[in-house]
Amino acid sequence: AQSVAQPEDQVNVAEGNPLTVKCTYSVSGNPYLFWYVQYPNRGLQFLLKYITGDNLVKGSYGFEAEFNKSQTSFHLKKPSALVSDSALYFCAVRDGRDTGRRALTFGSGTRLQVQP
Amino acid sequence: DGGITQSPKYLFRKEGQNVTLSCEQNLNHDAMYWYRQDPGQGLRLIYYSQIVNDFQKGDIAEGYSVSREKKESFPLTVTSAQKNPTAFYLCASTPSGGPVYEQYFGPGTRLTVT
Repeated sequence: AQSVAQPEDQVNVAEGNPLTVKCTYSVSGNPYLFWYVQYPNRGLQFLLKYITGDNLVKGSYGFEAEFNKSQTSFHLKKPSALVSDSALYFCAVRDGRDTGRRALTFGSGTRLQVQP
Repeated sequence: DGGITQSPKYLFRKEGQNVTLSCEQNLNHDAMYWYRQDPGQGLRLIYYSQIVNDFQKGDIAEGYSVSREKKESFPLTVTSAQKNPTAFYLCASTPSGGPVYEQYFGPGTRLTVT
């Protein structure tokens, strides 16, 4: 069974400072990893994904994530936070061996609060 | 505009009534999914469909039903058998085959049952 852990319910950071939102995963095969962002009462917006290749993945709105196979982590980062980055962030995983349902397993979410 | 639409945005029902949530996509995606979101629990998979006229139960299918008569449409019925139906429901779609694509999400329907 696959699983995702987001150990922090909330992350607080000052505007202009770097931010990190943590994610660790567990799958049997190779992981396909995704980050999504959700604003209040809205659907999820895709930020970035790791499928294979370079461990550092760059995505939308200046976000990036680093895949670390030995630590089974896929932390989301941004060099300089904006107040508008304040939202709920979800990490998700799909097992590369899953050719059937191909659904994502989501973490519980981390609320990012950027203070002006 | 291309995308996924869900209607209505807010839905209120009395306990014991069935209710159907709409999900339509014009992205020409083969696969569609229904998730349920509860505070602090992330998203959980209810049902999914990889192709027209075929669908499979997800992790929390009890009390729900779906149909997939058209590629564009994947409605979800919340039945009176669902013990705790109040939640935010999200529909998603993705192309099948080929590269690994991300899932595209609709704006969601917030269902309140009293």
